[in-house]
Amino acid sequence: GAGVSQSPSNKVTEKGKDVELRCDPISGHTALYWYRQSLGQGLEFLIYFQGNSAPDKSGLPSDRFSAERTGGSVSTLTIQRTQQEDSAVYLCASSLMWAGTDTQYFGPGTRLTVL
Amino acid sequence: DQQVKQNSPSLSVQEGRISILNCDYTNSMFDYFLWYKKYPAEGPTFLISISSIKDKNEDGRFTVFLNKSAKHLSLHIVPSQPGDSAVYFCAASAGNTPLVFGKGTRLSVIA
Repeated sequence: GAGVSQSPSNKVTEKGKDVELRCDPISGHTALYWYRQSLGQGLEFLIYFQGNSAPDKSGLPSDRFSAERTGGSVSTLTIQRTQQEDSAVYLCASSLMWAGTDTQYFGPGTRLTVL
Repeated sequence: DQQVKQNSPSLSVQEGRISILNCDYTNSMFDYFLWYKKYPAEGPTFLISISSIKDKNEDGRFTVFLNKSAKHLSLHIVPSQPGDSAVYFCAASAGNTPLVFGKGTRLSVIA
């Protein structure tokens, strides 16, 4: 079956603009995660969704960041009033269930560049 | 405060030799550890994992060792192959908490 897909693959925007990043998880996976990787850094957890439960937003760096997951499937990460420090690769992952031991499958990422 | 540390940003190994990638952690509550491999322009892919109740897990050419007292784990690849050249991330979780990743080690296997 298809893996996790993300769009766009690259996004260049001007400082102050809003951007939306999309993630299509693997069909049937109930857990969905967003991470970002800044230059020279590891993967930084942002937010995760598990089924119908309230998302864990503990990793979101500021209130400019938000995410939603519609119908338990597709997710959109929105960054408002982008700043240059938001430039990074944003990665989405999904897993069958939410458990620390459940394998997460990653998409190819969206490279965001804020000028 | 980095809870998962990969202190070597890069490593070069000759084809056929052993590659050893190291990872240290500070949170004693971590009970599950994973290694992910990442090629350029692709997302990370799961490689191998180990539970804190074990000290070794082997899968083909890949073996992960866990030393809980030292809060240290390592990934051994033997024999190393050019296709193993990638960035390797160590990750850890405590129960059902989100994964915490290290910064990665770039492995180059030289033919």
